[in-house]
Amino acid sequence: DIQMTQSPSSLSTSVGDRVTITCRASQTIASLNWYQQKPGKAPKILIFATSRLQSGVPSRFTGSGFGTDFTLTITNLQPEDFAAYYCQQSYIPPWTFGQGTKVEIK
Amino acid sequence: EVFLVESGGGLVQPGGSLRLSCASSGITVTPNGYMSWVRQAPGKGLECVSVIQRGGTTYYADSVKGRFTISRDKSNNTLYLQMDSLRVEDTAVYYCARWSGAPGHFDYWGQGTLVIVSS
Repeated sequence: DIQMTQSPSSLSTSVGDRVTITCRASQTIASLNWYQQKPGKAPKILIFATSRLQSGVPSRFTGSGFGTDFTLTITNLQPEDFAAYYCQQSYIPPWTFGQGTKVEIK
Repeated sequence: EVFLVESGGGLVQPGGSLRLSCASSGITVTPNGYMSWVRQAPGKGLECVSVIQRGGTTYYADSVKGRFTISRDKSNNTLYLQMDSLRVEDTAVYYCARWSGAPGHFDYWGQGTLVIVSS
């Protein structure tokens, strides 16, 4: 299986800040997805195919990268953005996830 | 509107078996027809444990290979996960999820069903 390494595992930040989460694959992959999960809820797709924003997701979320290294950036962090974020490779099933990043209020 | 509803979770002893079901309604089978089970242990991250493709091809995470079996009944739009030789570390919320057409991602999720493996 493809291994996904995500960092940081957690971060404390404030409303209005910019946040960057990175994800590295154990081999070259074609693209990557990003999900947001809030406590007690199923994950929700934010970005697919590395940089394509899911319908309804605010434009303050952006994804980038290629090969083995990918990034999720959140600009102007809003209160509703405090959650856990997961990357996922969409290259070979089973589609493995990163370990997750918990974004907390400072 | 699309609904995915899991059932079948519960408490089971180590070494035991359990079968999860995921009933779907309002769902359109995507061209590749992938469906999947994703689990999340308490306080931990997400793990895609099993995938089934429309034609029946299956994939498993190494952690469950040889113990779990994914299947689907197209006549009643139901996905299953047969879990045998359960271990304490299989304790988790199990979600079923639909894999969208290319570019692929999980676009619909159920609410999850909790499996607890404990003596």
